[in-house]
Amino acid sequence: AAGVIQSPRHLIKEKRETATLKCYPIPRHDTVYWYQQGPGQDPQFLISFYEKMQSDKGSIPDRFSAQQFSDYHSELNMSSLELGDSALYFCASSFAGTGANVLTFGAGSRLTVL
Amino acid sequence: AQRVTQPEKLLSVFKGAPVELKCNYSYSGSPELFWYVQYSRQRLQLLLRHISRESIKGFTADLNKGETSFHLKKPFAQEEDSAMYYCALSARAPYNTDKLIFGTGTRLQVFP
Repeated sequence: AAGVIQSPRHLIKEKRETATLKCYPIPRHDTVYWYQQGPGQDPQFLISFYEKMQSDKGSIPDRFSAQQFSDYHSELNMSSLELGDSALYFCASSFAGTGANVLTFGAGSRLTVL
Repeated sequence: AQRVTQPEKLLSVFKGAPVELKCNYSYSGSPELFWYVQYSRQRLQLLLRHISRESIKGFTADLNKGETSFHLKKPFAQEEDSAMYYCALSARAPYNTDKLIFGTGTRLQVFP
C-alpha cells in the first residue's frame, strides 16, 4: 500500500539559505500535517492543511511557509535558515471524514543547517 | 491546556520483564489518545489507539479518565521492542482535522 512520501530524504544547507520540503499524502487523504522533531525532542506541530486550506497552525516560524496543492501534495518552504532549524521534518496525512483521526507519517526529511 | 506528559525519558529492562510506559494527559474535552512508536531511524508508526481497545505486539493501554492516564503495558518485553515510544493526544482542530500533541517520549531499551 502507498504510504506518505517525503522528499528529499536528506538536505544540507547553509545559514541564510532557503529549503523546500515536499510531502505526498496517501491517496484520498485530504489533510496534511507538518511536524518538526529536533535532536532528542518530541515532534512539534507546525501547520496543517485540509482541502488545500490552512486548517491549523502551531509553532511555525514566520520564516517558514507552506501550502497544499490541487493534487493534495504539500510543500514546506523555509527561508533564512538558522542552525536551530536542523531537525527531522515529518509530514503526516489523514482523511478527515473518518472522524477519529489517525495520522500516517512519512519517513521524514532530515535538514542539516551548517 | 492540552498537554501530554511522559515522566520517564528512559526505561531499561531485561528480556521477559514486564514493561509499563507512563503517560498522563491534560485536555478539557473528551480525549482521544494514541501510542506511537519510532524504531531506530524509522518513521513514527501508530501502535495503539484507545478507542480500538486492542492489543498490538503484546502491548495494551487503558484510558483512565479519573487519573488522566494512558499507560502502555506489556507483560513480557522482547529485544525488538527497543524503540522510542510517544504518547499522543488528538486535539480537535477546524474542519475536523485533529492534530496530535506528543509527549516527550520514553526510550525503551530491552536487554538480552
